[in-house]
Amino acid sequence: SSELTQDPAVSVALGQTVRITCQGDSLRSYYASWYQQKPGQAPVLVIYGKNNRPSGIPDRFSGSSSGNTASLTITGAQAEDEADYYCNSRDFGGGTKLTVL
Amino acid sequence: QVQLQESGPGLVKPSGTLSLTCAVSGGSISSSNWWSWVRQPPGKGLEWIGEIYHSGSTNYNPSLKSRVTISVDKSKNQFSLKLSSVTAADTAVYYCARGLVLATPGYYYYYMDVWGKGTTVTVSS
Repeated sequence: SSELTQDPAVSVALGQTVRITCQGDSLRSYYASWYQQKPGQAPVLVIYGKNNRPSGIPDRFSGSSSGNTASLTITGAQAEDEADYYCNSRDFGGGTKLTVL
Repeated sequence: QVQLQESGPGLVKPSGTLSLTCAVSGGSISSSNWWSWVRQPPGKGLEWIGEIYHSGSTNYNPSLKSRVTISVDKSKNQFSLKLSSVTAADTAVYYCARGLVLATPGYYYYYMDVWGKGTTVTVSS
């Protein structure tokens, strides 16, 4: 079982804001990285470090951290954001399935 | 632009050894990166298997450590995974990835920014 805990599923209305959280003791010393995975595809890094986006990731994706909890926020969710999201600090969280309504 | 490509047998017999290779192109395996293996059983989440630095230093998932060996071949610019004593539970898509670790005051950054497309390995007789 994972040492990073995520809610299994979250939903958001199109255009609204959603926060996906990740909890674990390792997050007190590691910034979480976040990955988006769509069906049949490899994971894609969307957030790393304190709040950094790789080239090509829309600025509606942001990250934050406090204590043992890391958060991925999508501001103005789009239909194409529907995917599984995983947090990581070497170990992976169990993943959160995001549904955009 | 660095690209990773996994290769190896798609079918392994129970109790056998799973062997995969990840070829690195567009960059050097001797760069300041950790080279990782991650797997995903059908319908399940991602599991970090382990990683290697070009010096040969390794870190493994404690739950798999007794069965895993990751090695690097700098002459071929590739790294490899061996997983022994496999069972049906090892059936998964196996990904290789490039990792980076940075230390800042009070925190570490760890992330995997380049991934291979993945290769499916089935354990079955």
